[in-house]
Amino acid sequence: GAVVSQHPSWVICKSGTSVKIECRSLDFQATTMFWYRQFPKQSLMLMATSNEGSKATYEQGVEKDKFLINHASLTLSTLTVTSAHPEDSSFYICSARPSSGRAFSETQYFGPGTRLLVL
Amino acid sequence: QKEVEQDPGPLSVPEGAIVSLNCTYSNSAFQYFMWYRQYSRKGPELLMYTYSSGNKEDGRFTAQVDKSSKYISLFIRDSQPSDSATYLCAMRRPGANNLFFGTGTRLTVIP
Repeated sequence: GAVVSQHPSWVICKSGTSVKIECRSLDFQATTMFWYRQFPKQSLMLMATSNEGSKATYEQGVEKDKFLINHASLTLSTLTVTSAHPEDSSFYICSARPSSGRAFSETQYFGPGTRLLVL
Repeated sequence: QKEVEQDPGPLSVPEGAIVSLNCTYSNSAFQYFMWYRQYSRKGPELLMYTYSSGNKEDGRFTAQVDKSSKYISLFIRDSQPSDSATYLCAMRRPGANNLFFGTGTRLTVIP
């Protein structure tokens, strides 16, 4: 159990285009999902916390108008990188925290990540 | 000072060795402690989850939490080449959503 999927697994796009990344919890419901980015040989950097049915909470320094987050259901959150530029190239990883009531709800389960390359 | 400190390594050990990975932290409010394993170009995979102090064992893996010293450890017995990965510690305060991660330790188990 506790499987999180991401789609696409990798994407190459031209500078100025927008890219949408989907994060799904496959076998549990998640009121809260998280979006991270990771640069090579570095740890995960939290970008934002996505809350089902409400606005996302962004970390300091993360532009909310550039990284649009939508959490429309208890199993799906999306991250849209708008007007992507080469400096947005990175590994984007989502995670989901099972909603209260399950034994393992205190932790997060990660998706496999999406590698974005902006040319 | 970072909230969570972890030696980035790299750490190389021969197959069959016992591996010890450690993190220290500064915030005494942390109560939930996790270890994740991340293979190259993959998302982190939850290995161990511990609440408060104590030990937890799962197969070849043992997690220890010493809250008095603000120190957590992950031991891997009979290490295998397939254990070669980056190991991330993470922790969280009660009532908070976000995790605080260590920088990760890159481990290589040599056949």
